[in-house]
Amino acid sequence: GENVEQHPSTLSVQEGDSAVIKCTYSDSASNYFPWYKQELGKRPQLIIDIRSNVGEKKDQRIAVTLNKTAKHFSLHITETQPEDSAVYFCAATRRLGGGADGLTFGKGTHLIIQP
Amino acid sequence: EPEVTQTPSHQVTQMGQEVILRCVPISNHLYFYWYRQILGQKVEFLVSFYNNEISEKSEIFDDQFSVERPDGSNFTLKIRSTKLEDSAMYFCAGPGTSGRNEQFFGPGTRLTVL
Repeated sequence: GENVEQHPSTLSVQEGDSAVIKCTYSDSASNYFPWYKQELGKRPQLIIDIRSNVGEKKDQRIAVTLNKTAKHFSLHITETQPEDSAVYFCAATRRLGGGADGLTFGKGTHLIIQP
Repeated sequence: EPEVTQTPSHQVTQMGQEVILRCVPISNHLYFYWYRQILGQKVEFLVSFYNNEISEKSEIFDDQFSVERPDGSNFTLKIRSTKLEDSAMYFCAGPGTSGRNEQFFGPGTRLTVL
């Protein structure tokens, strides 16, 4: 089955700086890679995703890159703000028509934005 | 983002008891998923449900677990004989409306097994 590795486990950055979180996956059949943000005591919230037919996707201050050959994908957050503090999870799965297989998650990165 | 509701928000039960967790999607979608998250750990996939049948299940989803869609709208996860290690947040997830494979999580049920 799929295995997703995520690092770092904790990332502390100064407000306004950039943050990068990296993930690797093992199953070459995986072709959908979402990122979730989870604040304390709340549900995982989908913030951005990427499919294997593109190498990069951007949405305002967040971007995701994908290297299919190396089987790794990364989340980039620019101009970090205090509200970006949370645990971020990467995940991988195969798309199936209008749905998907179950997501395999990484262990999460606790992002701390220092004022 | 489509809303998925879950009940109860918190369930406390004694070890060995059966619990039923419920999920109600707002839209009538074919795909649904159950996940669990032990406190402080990653989210783990349990089972997916497609067109009223189990589509995929993980190693965690053993014989003590079952899923149903009893009335065409509610979507339930039953744990037959709870163990202490079943204590976790249980999330159901449903797809978006765009057909783009996203999974949106409900608010979760916190299960505490004593």
